[in-house]
Amino acid sequence: DTGVSQDPRHKITKRGQNVTFRCDPISEHNRLYWYRQTLGQGPEFLTYFQNEAQLEKSRLLSDRFSAERPKGSFSTLEIQRTEQGDSAMYLCASSTSGSSYNEQFFGPGTRLTVL
Amino acid sequence: GQQLNQSPQSMFIQEGEDVSMNCTSSSIFNTWLWYKQDPGEGPVLLIALYKAGELTSNGRLTAQFGITRKDSFLNISASIPSDVGIYFCAGHMEYGNKLVFGAGTILRVKS
Repeated sequence: DTGVSQDPRHKITKRGQNVTFRCDPISEHNRLYWYRQTLGQGPEFLTYFQNEAQLEKSRLLSDRFSAERPKGSFSTLEIQRTEQGDSAMYLCASSTSGSSYNEQFFGPGTRLTVL
Repeated sequence: GQQLNQSPQSMFIQEGEDVSMNCTSSSIFNTWLWYKQDPGEGPVLLIALYKAGELTSNGRLTAQFGITRKDSFLNISASIPSDVGIYFCAGHMEYGNKLVFGAGTILRVKS
């Protein structure tokens, strides 16, 4: 399967713990995005990487959130000192830099539950 | 921030019927996309539209990019049970890197 993959698919944690999610984009895609989706809503943009450079961050990305893409391939999203409000589906997407760069392909998501 | 108004919020239709949903915005977008999401999964891209007035089909799906660049619609013809799910519109502005999503249309099909 050459689609976007995310790990883990589900994570349950206690408030105050740190969690880290991983995203592996489609191999030839150099653009990578993180979104957050809560129940009954569409995905909301968190951050964007082109290769290893983080070029855009949403105001939704508080200081407790950090994302990296060290070698321009996979990416990690870390949430420190989790809060119950962080419970959501975290989605990763990737796209090319060609003419169809606006077509973002999503992974299956990581469902986070903070108790 | 930008918001997309997607309607209807949900619909419950008979198998074989045609379905129509739309999305409007106060902002201009240079790309409109339609996604389908099944429970517990990520959104799957159905159709991408790049030009104002463009009409694009993908099997039983047809979508149009409004001429004002502020709206789009999606039609599904002859619905089948596997069409159930949540359909999202998303817009991409000329400058920037993010997609802005609507709140989704929940489609339920009676067999």
